[in-house]
Amino acid sequence: EAQVTQNPRYLITVTGKKLTVTCSQNMNHEYMSWYRQDPGLGLRQIYYSMNVEVTDKGDVPEGYKVSRKEKRNFPLILESPSPNQTSLYFCASSSGRNQPQHFGDGTRLSIL
Amino acid sequence: GQNIDQPTEMTATEGAIVQINCTYQTSGFNGLFWYQQHAGEAPTFLSYNVLDGLEEKGRFSSFLSRSKGYSYLLLKELQMKDSASYLCAVHDNFNKFYFGSGTKLNVKP
Repeated sequence: EAQVTQNPRYLITVTGKKLTVTCSQNMNHEYMSWYRQDPGLGLRQIYYSMNVEVTDKGDVPEGYKVSRKEKRNFPLILESPSPNQTSLYFCASSSGRNQPQHFGDGTRLSIL
Repeated sequence: GQNIDQPTEMTATEGAIVQINCTYQTSGFNGLFWYQQHAGEAPTFLSYNVLDGLEEKGRFSSFLSRSKGYSYLLLKELQMKDSASYLCAVHDNFNKFYFGSGTKLNVKP
């Protein structure tokens, strides 16, 4: 089954404790992206990747890092999480930049 | 800056037609997507417009006017399961995506 898998689905952690949210897709998609979704603000793009070893900043990249060492994986790293990064995070992938994105089920992060 | 505007909430009756508008101002335009998102779930793709005009897909249609920075999603023969948020997203010239804050559609019997 074609899917985008995110882990963990839920995480409560404390300020400053590094964390990684993994994202993996099995569709051989080139384009991958991370979003955060906050009430009243909609989805905002954090980082995206056009292909392996090619990443770029989205609209709200501050406080986040990503890597794309393999085509299928696109982890999101919070080196020193802060409470304002409490949000619902979605990973998405598509076969090209003008193609529909397939979204993972989301990761709800709470930073205390 | 980038600006995508949609109404926050709409209510319509089962069996009716509803139109959800989206206006945008972005630095460059490479296409507009509509997604549906049920509460607590991931967004799913509905339609895509890159040229002016109407794209029809069963009960759903989407229209684009690039000169006016305007799109709408038309839902016909509304069903209760259409109660969801509808997200408008613009793809700019730099491979970035900008989403509106979404329109929550309530379908009542």
